[in-house]
Amino acid sequence: SSELTQDPAVSVALGQTVRITCHGDSFRSYFPSWFQQKPGQAPILVIYGKNHRPSGIPDRFSGSISGNTASLTITGAQAEDEADYYCNSRDISGKSSVIFAGGTKLTVL
Amino acid sequence: QVQLVQSGTEVKKPGSSVKVACKASGNTFKNNAFSWVRQAPGHGLEWMGGIIPIIGKVNNAEQFQGRISITANESTITTFLEIHSLRSEDTAFYYCARGPTTVTHRLDSWGQGTLVIVSS
Repeated sequence: SSELTQDPAVSVALGQTVRITCHGDSFRSYFPSWFQQKPGQAPILVIYGKNHRPSGIPDRFSGSISGNTASLTITGAQAEDEADYYCNSRDISGKSSVIFAGGTKLTVL
Repeated sequence: QVQLVQSGTEVKKPGSSVKVACKASGNTFKNNAFSWVRQAPGHGLEWMGGIIPIIGKVNNAEQFQGRISITANESTITTFLEIHSLRSEDTAFYYCARGPTTVTHRLDSWGQGTLVIVSS
């Protein structure tokens, strides 16, 4: 499928590790990008490529890929990590150039 | 890092058009590809289309074909999203975002968003 799918919601205890996954056939050809969006704010890029963090993104954020599943891992989640997380990729269907998944709402307990 | 500043809130009637601007910092479009992303209230991100200004390449998502126009003005380093035949379902925040021309989905800079309200 050319679509990207994420679990709608995930929760993690403060200080624990959480993995947010994104499924899509496009990951067999393209690396994903991951975005964090807090309420009332524009998204920001947190992971891109194989596992790269833009300047200013804490090293507790990391990315990985296995087959058609991309993962964003937060090791030692902090309260400020509570947000919506989106993955995207190139669209292999030809209907678009870029496609986003539906997003995962992360709650830090 | 490229900074993006968008134009302000728009309130439009159904059937009309709206044009949203996104001005980039710096003095050139070189190495930049720009995307427009929509987010309806309470919903996720939806890629609408994009432009690579230095080669004049525009690519729109199939569902928006014929209803949006994405353009760029090189002299002001500004890109534009125009939406025609507005309907209430177009009420949303519209974001411009920048990525490298070789990896257009790596959106490393985002504008602050422009709220478009479509209401009679």
